[in-house]
Amino acid sequence: GAGVSQSPSNKVTEKGKDVELRCDPISGHTALYWYRQSLGQGLEFLIYFQGNSAPDKSGLPSDRFSAERTGGSVSTLTIQRTQQEDSAVYLCASSFARLNTEAFFGQGTRLTVV
Amino acid sequence: SQQGEEDPQALSIQEGENATMNCSYKTSINNLQWYRQNSGRGLVHLILIRSNEREKHSGRLRVTLDTSKKSSSLLITASRAADTASYFCATDVGGSRLTFGEGTQLTVNP
Repeated sequence: GAGVSQSPSNKVTEKGKDVELRCDPISGHTALYWYRQSLGQGLEFLIYFQGNSAPDKSGLPSDRFSAERTGGSVSTLTIQRTQQEDSAVYLCASSFARLNTEAFFGQGTRLTVV
Repeated sequence: SQQGEEDPQALSIQEGENATMNCSYKTSINNLQWYRQNSGRGLVHLILIRSNEREKHSGRLRVTLDTSKKSSSLLITASRAADTASYFCATDVGGSRLTFGEGTQLTVNP
């Protein structure tokens, strides 16, 4: 596609349920990032994938969060047993994995845990 | 605290005025990037300045970088109401992530 696509756009879930957020990066981009943004705040790094290398998971806030990237393309961020503090906008970005290149962001998934 | 920190947190100006936002960071960088965000959704890349560059222009945008002070500024000239948005700096130190600051909320009043 022309840009980074994220789905769903909005997700309301009950506390304790699991959710899956999807990111479809720009074709040819080997680097993929997930960030989280709480209302009025900056972007909190979650995880980074680059090609076939082991992902950098150092930003995941707890073991309830996991992500995978299949076939070097689509990525899924899974949050298990959601809590109210997980409510945020989850942003995905992709880029070419080379020096001095910009990241392209999707429109995000707004997650609300009730 | 964040690698990149923007200043001010909020800025309100009249249309036609210039807007200046600043970003400070802590470690050596490969490049520094500025992004814009409307309505709390996707970010749009504005400009990238490499560590060996001191100034860069793109349309009404001017970015400076002072690596000795570990700081950057974004100047928007002749602002328009449509420039109202949040502006973030992001530092690339190599490795696996862009690190974002908390952002500056710019409001341009018609």
